[in-house]
Order: sequence, then structure tokens, then C-alpha cells
Amino acid sequence: AQSVTQLDSHVSVSEGTPVLLRCNYSSSYSPSLFWYVQHPNKGLQLLLKYTSAATLVKGINGFEAEFKKSETSFHLTKPSAHMSDAAEYFCVVSLPGSSNTGKLIFGQGTTLQVKP
Amino acid sequence: EAGVVQSPRYKIIEKKQPVAFWCNPISGHNTLYWYLQNLGQGPELLIRYENEEAVDDSQLPKDRFSAERLKGVDSTLKIQPAELGDSAVYLCASGKTRYNEQFFGPGTRLTVL
Repeated sequence: AQSVTQLDSHVSVSEGTPVLLRCNYSSSYSPSLFWYVQHPNKGLQLLLKYTSAATLVKGINGFEAEFKKSETSFHLTKPSAHMSDAAEYFCVVSLPGSSNTGKLIFGQGTTLQVKP
Repeated sequence: EAGVVQSPRYKIIEKKQPVAFWCNPISGHNTLYWYLQNLGQGPELLIRYENEEAVDDSQLPKDRFSAERLKGVDSTLKIQPAELGDSAVYLCASGKTRYNEQFFGPGTRLTVL
């Protein structure tokens, strides 16, 4: 079965320091993986997605993620945190098969706190 | 371009009462999704529509939940009767097709007392 595990429920960084949000996936197939961000009282927004092309994926707002098959990981990083990055982040896997296309399985989320 | 619109944004009801949520997807988006997000959890898919057809409702508790998308545009999700455990955020998302990015609305936060 496909699933994702976000290894940290809460991450706190200082503004200007690097961000690392960790995600491991479980999949019988070559997965499609995503990172979404959820700001308070706003809709979920797609940050980036991996669909078996380049293993290093660049997203919006300076975020990027690297797909590592050997480690079954898809960690999200950003070189320098900004106060506006404080939000909930979700690692997501898409189920395989044409009938499941669009069916997303969300991790439990990581709350990113950015301190001034 | 307007995003996905949901209403109401907040709803407080007593248990055993009915409640309905409305979603207006982005214009031209054929695929519409309803998700349930419990506190501290990631969203879970309840039902997916392609145009007016519900193509995946396997996670919808059909004893009390129902949904419709009569003209393939707006959609309504209903709970009757509501239970305490239904307190959660109900998210609507849409995409041009099921192969495209899903755009999420802000959600409706339901509190059942």
C-alpha cells in the first residue's frame, strides 16, 4: 500500500537559517510525490511535485525536494527561512494506476515555526 | 482567476442536526474532490467527481453523508444527522482533469456540539 510518513510533527527554525522537513514514502511502484503547504485559514497550495523526471525538484518560494529511491525519502528543503514560511506542510503520494490518478494520500503534516 | 469557493467558512450545529457545505470549483475544472481533514491530520478523500459523475466514493460514509454535483459545476456535501465525531474541516478541491494539479478551497470548519 502507498503511504507517506512525515518524521517530524513540528520543526522550529530561526529566520535566515535552512529548513529541512523530512518525508519517507512507501510504494510498490514508482511513485508520484508532492509537497503541499497550508497557511492558516487558506487553501492547500502545491509547492512542488516529482513524477519520475529529475530527482531534484524545484518548487515555488525557493523550496526544493530530492527524490532518493535508495532511502525512500523525499525531503523538503529551503536554504533560508522567511517568516512567511511558517505554515503546515504535507508530504503527499499519488496512488498508482489509471483508475487512481488524482487520488492523493497525505502525510500527517509538519508544522514549521520560524522565529525572528 | 477566482479560486475554489466554499461556504460557509464556519458552521456550528448541535448533534443530530443536518448540515450542508457548498463548493464552487474553478471555472472549467471538470474534476471535483471533497476531503475531510481532522485536527492535526492530513486531508482524506471522501469523494471525487468527474463532471457530474461520482467516480470514487469508496471513502464516503454513505449512512449519513451524501454529495451531489448535478450540473457538473457546483457541488454540495451533506451530513444528516451530524455526530460529534464529524467535527472537522471539509475541503473542496478541483482540477482541469484528474491528471492535473488540484486546487484547494479554504475549507469549511464544522463544529458539532
